[in-house]
Amino acid sequence: SYELTQPPSVSVSPGQTARITCSGDALPKQYAYWYQQKPGQAPVLVIYKDSERPSGIPERFSGSSSGTTVTLTISGVQAEDEADYYCQSADSSGTYEVFGTGTKVTVL
Amino acid sequence: EVQLVQSGAEVKKPGESLKISCKGSGYSFTSYWIGWVRQMPGKGLEWMGIIYPGDSDTRYSPSFQGQVTISADKSISTAYLQWSSLKASDTAMYYCARRIAVAGTFWFDPWGQGTLVTVSS
Repeated sequence: SYELTQPPSVSVSPGQTARITCSGDALPKQYAYWYQQKPGQAPVLVIYKDSERPSGIPERFSGSSSGTTVTLTISGVQAEDEADYYCQSADSSGTYEVFGTGTKVTVL
Repeated sequence: EVQLVQSGAEVKKPGESLKISCKGSGYSFTSYWIGWVRQMPGKGLEWMGIIYPGDSDTRYSPSFQGQVTISADKSISTAYLQWSSLKASDTAMYYCARRIAVAGTFWFDPWGQGTLVTVSS
C-alpha cells in the first residue's frame, strides 16, 4: 500500500523556522495537504494544494513541493505551533487518500 | 458556518455492535463526500473510507473493507460508521470530515470533534 513518510519529530526554538518534510512516490502527480493537530483536538487544515493557505491560517505557515517531497514551513515559530502535523495526499491513481506518518513539532 | 458534530463517547464490550454518527450543517450535505478517519491511542491518522450522501456511493480503504460499514441518511444530514462485532483493537478516536473535491484532488475540511470508542471487557 502507498505510504507517505515524515520525520517523527522536529524541535525548534521560538522565532526560528521549522521545516517538516513528507515523501511519497506519487507526490509529483498528486497534490499534498497539511493538517495541524493539537493535543485533545481534531485536525485542522493549514495548507491545501501544496502551497495554498486557507483563510484564518497565519502567514507563517507555507508549503512547497519538489519532486517526491513536499515541505511544510513554519516561519517565526510560536509556542502555540507546538502540535502534531500530518501530510495527506492520494495514491498515484487517485483512488485513496493517505495520511503521512505524522511529525511532532516541539517548541523549545 | 460549516460544522460536523459527532455523537458522544462510547464504552462497549467485545462482540457488541455500535453505530456512531456525524451530523453536518451549514452546507449542502448531499453535495460533498464525508470521510471517516481512525486514530488509535498515541498513533497517527488512518483513512477508513468515504461516502457521498447524495447517492450513498461508498468506498473503503482495503484495510477497513469488511470491518466497518459506512452509511448516510441525507434526510437528516447525518453519516454513520458502524461495527457489527467490536474488538478491543477497535479502541480509538474516530473522526468524520467533509471531503472537498476540486479538479480531481481531494482534502478534508472541516473535521468533526471526534468520537472516542473504548472496547473493553
